Amino acid sequence: DGGITQSPKYLFRKEGQNVTLSCEQNLNHDAMYWYRQDPGQGLRLIYYSQIVNDFQKGDIAEGYSVSREKKESFPLTVTSAQKNPTAFYLCASSPLGQGESDNEQFFGPGTRLTVL
Amino acid sequence: AQKVTQAQTEISVVEKEDVTLDCVYETRDTTYYLFWYKQPPSGELVFLIRRNSFDEQNEISGRYSWNFQKSTSSFNFTITASQVVDSAVYFCALSELMEYGNKLVFGAGTILRVKS
Repeated sequence: DGGITQSPKYLFRKEGQNVTLSCEQNLNHDAMYWYRQDPGQGLRLIYYSQIVNDFQKGDIAEGYSVSREKKESFPLTVTSAQKNPTAFYLCASSPLGQGESDNEQFFGPGTRLTVL
Repeated sequence: AQKVTQAQTEISVVEKEDVTLDCVYETRDTTYYLFWYKQPPSGELVFLIRRNSFDEQNEISGRYSWNFQKSTSSFNFTITASQVVDSAVYFCALSELMEYGNKLVFGAGTILRVKS
């Protein structure tokens, strides 16, 4: 089945530690995205990538880093510089282009990160 | 800048009632897309509908219907004869076109609680 997988589902981290969230897709999509969701707020864009080995900062990139070495993978590292990392993180992918169907983003199940 | 406003933070209804979720957006783009996503308790975002800015026809899909009015920059979502399984957080989103692909700007979401 085609889709997006994120692991782990729940993640606990001690303050001061870096942690990496996994996102894999087998939809053959060029574009991938990371969003953060806080209670009572919508999703906010952290980073996005439109092609392998290239990525751009979103609205709240500080304290995060990403890599895009393979088309199907877009891991997100939450660094110790992120002051308030406890949140729900969602990964998404979409085809690349300006056409009708290219604007739909498909989402993974999310990772809930808690800093202890 | 793009902006999406969902003024209703939380709505509670009794099963079989009709309910309308409001969405108002701001954009400078002449071509754009609007979306509704459902987020059940499991956390994954489920795509419900995409509407492009040139298509103002209302759409009905089973118990769901959408009213797009460009003149008032609104894209409201109505659930007819609500059911307990409709309980979820609903997000309205607006596409922001980039050179390639798109970014989604989300509203804060509306929590819908349907009681039996």
